[in-house]
Amino acid sequence: AQTVTQSQPEMSVQEAETVTLSCTYDTSESDYYLFWYKQPPSRQMILVIRQEAYKQQNATENRFSVNFQKAAKSFSLKISDSQLGDAAMYFCAYSGNTPLVFGKGTRLSVIA
Amino acid sequence: ETGVTQTPRHLVMGMTNKKSLKCEQHLGHNAMYWYKQSAKKPLELMFVYNFKEQTENNSVPSRFSPECPNSSHLFLHLHTLQPEDSALYLCASSQVRRRGQETQYFGPGTRLLVL
Repeated sequence: AQTVTQSQPEMSVQEAETVTLSCTYDTSESDYYLFWYKQPPSRQMILVIRQEAYKQQNATENRFSVNFQKAAKSFSLKISDSQLGDAAMYFCAYSGNTPLVFGKGTRLSVIA
Repeated sequence: ETGVTQTPRHLVMGMTNKKSLKCEQHLGHNAMYWYKQSAKKPLELMFVYNFKEQTENNSVPSRFSPECPNSSHLFLHLHTLQPEDSALYLCASSQVRRRGQETQYFGPGTRLLVL
């Protein structure tokens, strides 16, 4: 079974600085998607970024980018120029032959 | 975001009550999902519907009864719940073309408290 591990329960970053959230996963599949979701205090689960496993190029969405290392099964999220609104729980998720598998999340605090 | 809506947003019910949660997606997707999110636990998938057919039921107690009348609507009927069922219930939808190539979009959730 696929598993997703987020080893950092909590992280903090100064406003305008850069922070990287870690995620590793375990799978024997070759074709899958990886995601980062953000869940702010409002509890809405918001899609931040998606990476297709067959693409070598790392996905980027404005201030959010990933470092996808397929061989190492690593999928980290980098947030540049952090803003107060980035404070939230961040979940890494895997989609393969089973529905989404989520990690336990990383709580990100942004310090003004 | 209004692609996936859920009602009610908050619900308080006694253990003998019967209530229903509603989810509606306006994205033209063909799959819908119910998740349970409890404090300090990973998101738990409860049910999956593909083209209105239930394809996953992750050992959910029978006091939770899903219903999917069409690809845009999903219900979760609740009866004789327990206090440990108190949680955030999230609905999601996706367009399934191939397994492993679907992106789920979530509703705002219903926060349920069982007294």
